[in-house]
Amino acid sequence: NAGVTQTPKFRILKIGQSMTLQCTQDMNHNYMYWYRQDPGMGLKLIYYSVGAGITDKGEVPNGYNVSRSTTEDFPLRLELAAPSQTSVYFCASSYSTSHNEQFFGPGTRLTVL
Amino acid sequence: GEDVEQSLFLSVREGDSSVINCTYTDSSSTYLYWYKQEPGAGLQLLTYIFSNMDMKQDQRLTVLLNKKDKHLSLRIADTQTGDSAIYFCAETGGFKTIFGAGTRLFVKA
Repeated sequence: NAGVTQTPKFRILKIGQSMTLQCTQDMNHNYMYWYRQDPGMGLKLIYYSVGAGITDKGEVPNGYNVSRSTTEDFPLRLELAAPSQTSVYFCASSYSTSHNEQFFGPGTRLTVL
Repeated sequence: GEDVEQSLFLSVREGDSSVINCTYTDSSSTYLYWYKQEPGAGLQLLTYIFSNMDMKQDQRLTVLLNKKDKHLSLRIADTQTGDSAIYFCAETGGFKTIFGAGTRLFVKA
């Protein structure tokens, strides 16, 4: 099993550009999450999904969109990049809502200039 | 609202014990977790404790839970340079998990 994979690893965007961060898991997990990690701030939940076709907002959803057409894939879309979106983005998945061990991807480091 | 707090830095000498502390606010949390993040990588589950337990030991790791004070700690015995990382405390009562800001552990040789 590859676990959770994310692409790209690094990206630099100009203000106003758009991009999609890809996330795929091969563990057949129903639950998937997108977080952003800012220095000294821990992880903030952007969006989550409890299964294919179902997504919901997390703590900091503004400026982002997601879709979940399959169990495996959970892409995160930035439509109009802003400097405030400079961060490290992590995708995660889990199989249970009781013991919610989350499996994380390696992250995407995004810089918006 | 729900919140998890932990100190940002800890420095220890190789071979000493490390103790990382965390406080949380949601008394309904069923599981509490410690995740480890090495440089350039995602978080990885280190250990966890169910809310009806006071202590859990796993090789060099000891987790203590004080439910009354909503305090969680992680003790690493015989700390090694390979333990240098960021350690995140987290709580969950369902499919959403609340993470602390992380404690960066420095291990001096």
